[in-house]
Amino acid sequence: AQSVTQLGSHVSVSEGALVLLRCNYSSSVPPYLFWYVQYPNQGLQLLLKYTSAATLVKGINGFEAEFKKSETSFHLTKPSAHMSDAAEYFCAVRKIQGAQKLVFGQGTRLTINP
Amino acid sequence: DTEVTQTPKHLVMGMTNKKSLKCEQHMGHRAMYWYKQKAKKPPELMFVYSYEKLSINESVPSRFSPECPNSSLLNLHLHALQPEDSALYLCASSPQREAGRETQYFGPGTRLLVL
Repeated sequence: AQSVTQLGSHVSVSEGALVLLRCNYSSSVPPYLFWYVQYPNQGLQLLLKYTSAATLVKGINGFEAEFKKSETSFHLTKPSAHMSDAAEYFCAVRKIQGAQKLVFGQGTRLTINP
Repeated sequence: DTEVTQTPKHLVMGMTNKKSLKCEQHMGHRAMYWYKQKAKKPPELMFVYSYEKLSINESVPSRFSPECPNSSLLNLHLHALQPEDSALYLCASSPQREAGRETQYFGPGTRLLVL
């Protein structure tokens, strides 16, 4: 069964520093992968998604992620953190066939220090 | 317009009450979803409607009853809930045209407290 593992339930970086949030997937077939962000007391917003078109995916708010099949990873990065990036981030996987289920990782809370 | 709306924003109910959560989208999406999210946890899928028909029920207790009256509207009827059902209930929709690659668009959620 498809699943994702997010390494680190809490990541703290300084404003202006690199943001790296880790996500590894488990899938017997190439999956579709998503990163969502959830700000406090809000729903989820799509940051970016991998759908096999390109391994380096650019998203909103300066985020990007690289799909690495050899490492079964889809880590999220941003070169320079902003205070407004503080939120909960979820990696999610969806099967290519029979594909209505979106399975989320446990989430990573990102804190930005001034 | 990529908005999914949910009402009410907050709901407090007793264990004997009957209440309903409402979700609406006007993006022409044909798949709609209910998720439950407990504090500090990821969303968990409850139900999926595809073309107004229930296609997935993730073994949800019968005290939760979904309804999809038309392609734009999704309800979740609540009856005889337990305190452990207190959570954020999220609605989402997707086009149902691109299978797994398509984006699910989420509403802001209804925060439910069961006393």
